Amino acid sequence: GAVVSQHPSWVICKSGTSVKIECRSLDFQATTMFWYRQFPKQSLMLMATSNEGSKATYEQGVEKDKFLINHASLTLSTLTVTSAHPEDSSFYICSASQHLGQGAVEQYFGPGTRLTVT
Amino acid sequence: QKEVEQNSGPLSVPEGAIASLNCTYSDRGSQSFFWYRQYSGKSPELIMFIYSNGDKEDGRFTAQLNKASQYVSLLIRDSQPSDSATYLCAVSKAAGNKLTFGGGTRVLVKP
Repeated sequence: GAVVSQHPSWVICKSGTSVKIECRSLDFQATTMFWYRQFPKQSLMLMATSNEGSKATYEQGVEKDKFLINHASLTLSTLTVTSAHPEDSSFYICSASQHLGQGAVEQYFGPGTRLTVT
Repeated sequence: QKEVEQNSGPLSVPEGAIASLNCTYSDRGSQSFFWYRQYSGKSPELIMFIYSNGDKEDGRFTAQLNKASQYVSLLIRDSQPSDSATYLCAVSKAAGNKLTFGGGTRVLVKP
């Protein structure tokens, strides 16, 4: 099956600093990637949809100037959390869409990045 | 009303029994339906997807979709302790479109 990687798998940063998370589709080209955030004991909440070569589409309530998304190639999307605060501590997960033919599309999830802001 | 609703559980089932999970959704325009399994601290992994009304079986798993009732379910036969996880129902309006997740149902399979 298709593989999506994320780097780093976990990161601890100080309040006020910025953190960049990478999401890569390793063996397929993903025209669309999605970024999710998951707080403890809660479900995944979509933050934004990222299309290669265009601006990301953010969900309501997600600050686009705080969560910068870049999708410069068909295999790489990055999420930068700017001026991180403790309330940004969460599990960030990306997914990438692959077209399987005959109209079928499947989303593959990366392993997630656990961010802790101190 | 939440867009996708699931009973949070925990759903406790004895080993070897059938676990039955339910999910309802509010948007009648939803076209694609997915079940994911998520272990604690890990990202979700796809178990099954279903697009058409009726049943779809894959190994020990059966997904059932009833678009008229806006209801999708997952049956896990011969439940194993390794099936203990949170099961997430997700829907989308079109293939490749963004997913909306339910809150998840925690399943505990007791030996």
